[in-house]
Amino acid sequence: QITLKESGPTLVKPTQTLTLTCTFSGFSLSTSGVGVGWIRQPPGKALEWLALIYWNDDKRYSPSLKSRLTITKDTSKNQVVLTMTNMDPVDTATYYCAHSPRVPAAKYYFDYWGQGTLVTVSS
Amino acid sequence: SYVLTQPPSVSVAPGKTARITCGGNNIGSKSVHWYQQKPGQAPVLVIYYDSDRPSGIPERFSGSNSGNTATLTISRVEAGDEADYYCQVWDSSSDHVFGTGTKVTVL
Repeated sequence: QITLKESGPTLVKPTQTLTLTCTFSGFSLSTSGVGVGWIRQPPGKALEWLALIYWNDDKRYSPSLKSRLTITKDTSKNQVVLTMTNMDPVDTATYYCAHSPRVPAAKYYFDYWGQGTLVTVSS
Repeated sequence: SYVLTQPPSVSVAPGKTARITCGGNNIGSKSVHWYQQKPGQAPVLVIYYDSDRPSGIPERFSGSNSGNTATLTISRVEAGDEADYYCQVWDSSSDHVFGTGTKVTVL
């Protein structure tokens, strides 16, 4: 079955760069149409999509955060890495990674999610 | 950017029907997906492609989408349905977009 798990620091200081790793099993990121995305959720607030990388290395970013985000994949390790630069206290949130299945164009969704990891930004 | 608007809260008595709306410009032309999130847990997909249910999701959960509003309907509501619900679409300019979320309270 498909599982995903996020890992990374629980505390970062303002202006630092956050690096999160999503380690998954049960699927391959070399399979046509498949993707892995990152979504975050500040405490008590709504979900916010951040980035997504597809099997063919196509990368998509939230327009509002694009300048701060980089997403990469290591297919051999079954990992996806998200980096976010210039962290600020407003970036405090639970960060999730999720599996995006192969679907017709424009019908994308996330069918499996990791448990999430809480990242606090504070000096 | 594309915006999805949901009511902040919906209250429903056990056994009754809850309807959660998701408003967006011409959302009827898009494919809408719904997630359930219980406190302290990751979201779970409950509806995809407007009205399809993943395996394991009760038939009590159904969806519809037309015009400027998509709707998630929970029939015969149970205490275990109490959660936050989010709609989501893909938009050519905004990519993946989540709704503002609705807290469902079972009275």
